[in-house]
Amino acid sequence: GAVVSQHPSRVICKSGTSVKIECRSLDFQATTMFWYRQFPKQSLMLMATSNEGSKATYEQGVEKDKFLINHASLTLSTLTVTSAHPEDSSFYICSAQLTGGNYGYTFGSGTRLTVV
Amino acid sequence: AQSVTQLDSHVSVSEGTPVLLRCNYSSSYSPSLFWYVQHPNKGLQLLLKYTSAATLVKGINGFEAEFKKSETSFHLTKPSAHMSDAAEYFCVVSGWETSYDKVIFGPGTSLSVIP
Repeated sequence: GAVVSQHPSRVICKSGTSVKIECRSLDFQATTMFWYRQFPKQSLMLMATSNEGSKATYEQGVEKDKFLINHASLTLSTLTVTSAHPEDSSFYICSAQLTGGNYGYTFGSGTRLTVV
Repeated sequence: AQSVTQLDSHVSVSEGTPVLLRCNYSSSYSPSLFWYVQHPNKGLQLLLKYTSAATLVKGINGFEAEFKKSETSFHLTKPSAHMSDAAEYFCVVSGWETSYDKVIFGPGTSLSVIP
């Protein structure tokens, strides 16, 4: 149980275009979801925290107009990278918070974004 | 504010010998602590978690960790390393900050297992 499905797993886009990454909770309701970015051989950096129905809370240094997060339902959160540039190329991972007796976090399998 | 320090960026052990991956944290509130493992080109898998219950936590694949509040530590151990344990390990702290639950990853420790 508590599976998060993240799509696409890989995407290549042209510089200047926008890319949407989806994260779905398959068998539970995810009130709070997190978006991370991971550079090669580095740790996960928290980009933003989103609560269903509310505006996302962005970490310092993350451009909210560039990384648009939508969490309109309890089972879906999306990250849109707008006007992508090569420096946006990275591994993006979503995570959903688990509540109740199974407190913790479950992670999507990640999206490898390459901007050419 | 919360933070996590993993003292070793890389640890190398021989197969069959003990593993120790160190983690220290800082948190304004009573934190929850986790260890995750990431194999190359794969997602994250939860090894174990501490959420204010027993301070000695047992996880999957023979791993365990002990929460020591006085030392603000949550070190990960395993009595005998296996080749399949070679991976990247992340210590994670979470806690309520201002108005939302915040999750912070440590920098990671790369574990190599020598045959």
